[in-house]
Amino acid sequence: DAMVIQNPRYQVTQFGKPVTLSCSQTLNHNVMYWYQQKSSQAPKLLFHYYDKDFNNEADTPDNFQSRRPNTSFCFLDIRSPGLGDAAMYLCATSRDFGTGREQYFGPGTRLTVT
Amino acid sequence: QQQVKQSPQSLIVQKGGISIINCAYENTAFDYFPWYQQFPGKGPALLIAIRPDVSEKKEGRFTISFNKSAKQFSLHIMDSQPGDSATYFCAAMPTGNQFYFGTGTSLTVIP
Repeated sequence: DAMVIQNPRYQVTQFGKPVTLSCSQTLNHNVMYWYQQKSSQAPKLLFHYYDKDFNNEADTPDNFQSRRPNTSFCFLDIRSPGLGDAAMYLCATSRDFGTGREQYFGPGTRLTVT
Repeated sequence: QQQVKQSPQSLIVQKGGISIINCAYENTAFDYFPWYQQFPGKGPALLIAIRPDVSEKKEGRFTISFNKSAKQFSLHIMDSQPGDSATYFCAAMPTGNQFYFGTGTSLTVIP
């Protein structure tokens, strides 16, 4: 089945220790998104890629970076995690921004910062 | 500013009852309105979506009603089941990359 896969499902890191979360997709979608979701809140968009074009949301902290080396993979790098960065990180994809803008989410990575 | 207002925040319904969740928006550029269902510890799953050229869309027990003039849309879950207990998010999009979620509704269906 075509899908969005996130690894790892659970990640524990220490305060200030860099961490990378990964996302892959078999949908062959052009757009990949990263969201942060905290408990009992809606997902918050961090950034997205349309192909190789990167778009950073204005309020995304500089501590968060992303890489998309090819169509299938996208990475979220947190350079110096703080306690406030503990959250569920969701990857999503869509075919495009027009008629194919339905977003399909992965299962998420739960990040704990100790 | 919250682009999409969702209510209620939580909802408790008896098994077999109808669950109704409402959303409202202001931006007339929005032209795509999906609903997502999220179980604890999982990513949101696309449930059903509507475009403003129709007033209602039904898929199984799930129906979206859309009122363009009032700028409101709602999700109706008929014959609600305990397995429907989850958090539901409405969302709205204009053409482009912006995706605005509502604040979510936690639904509990009591057996």
